[in-house]
Amino acid sequence: GENVEQHPSTLSVQEGDSAVIKCTYSDSASNYFPWYKQELGKGPQLIIDIRSNVGEKKDQRIAVTLNKTAKHFSLHITETQPEDSAVYFCAASSPGSARQLTFGSGTQLTVLP
Amino acid sequence: DGGITQSPKYLFRKEGQNVTLSCEQNLNHDAMYWYRQDPGQGLRLIYYSQIVNDFQKGDIAEGYSVSREKKESFPLTVTSAQKNPTAFYLCASTVTGVIVSGNTIYFGEGSWLTVV
Repeated sequence: GENVEQHPSTLSVQEGDSAVIKCTYSDSASNYFPWYKQELGKGPQLIIDIRSNVGEKKDQRIAVTLNKTAKHFSLHITETQPEDSAVYFCAASSPGSARQLTFGSGTQLTVLP
Repeated sequence: DGGITQSPKYLFRKEGQNVTLSCEQNLNHDAMYWYRQDPGQGLRLIYYSQIVNDFQKGDIAEGYSVSREKKESFPLTVTSAQKNPTAFYLCASTVTGVIVSGNTIYFGEGSWLTVV
């Protein structure tokens, strides 16, 4: 089955700096890669996603890049703000998988004022 | 507003007790999921259901049971056989359980279960 690895597990940045979180996946058939943000004590919320026919997608300060050859994808947050502090999860989905998503282990992002 | 409602938010279980976590959705989604989250770890799939009256085991189903008698409801029972049940439990749903990747998964707010 699919295996998703996420790094780093914790990340601290100064407000205004950029943050990058990286994930690798094992199943070359995976074709959908969402990112979720989870605030303390709440459920994860989708913030951006990318499909395998696209190399990069951007939404305001958030962008995701995908390298299918290397089987890795990354989340980029620019001009970080304190409200960006949360746990971020990457995930991957393979065609034919009724389980829908395999999640990475999460990254605790702290934006220091 | 449409969404997923989990209850209770906090639950304490005594040793040897079964407890049931409720999950209700009014999104008209076919597929529903239960995940377990331990501190500092990712989400692990317990059970999932693609359609009413059908469900499958996930990666860590031992000690848990589910039912799917209604489209909008997918309760999770944590049985006494689950030796380490203290965790954060998340219910989720997607519009269809048909095997098509890329369905957005929506999550509830979660339930904290603690063994006392």
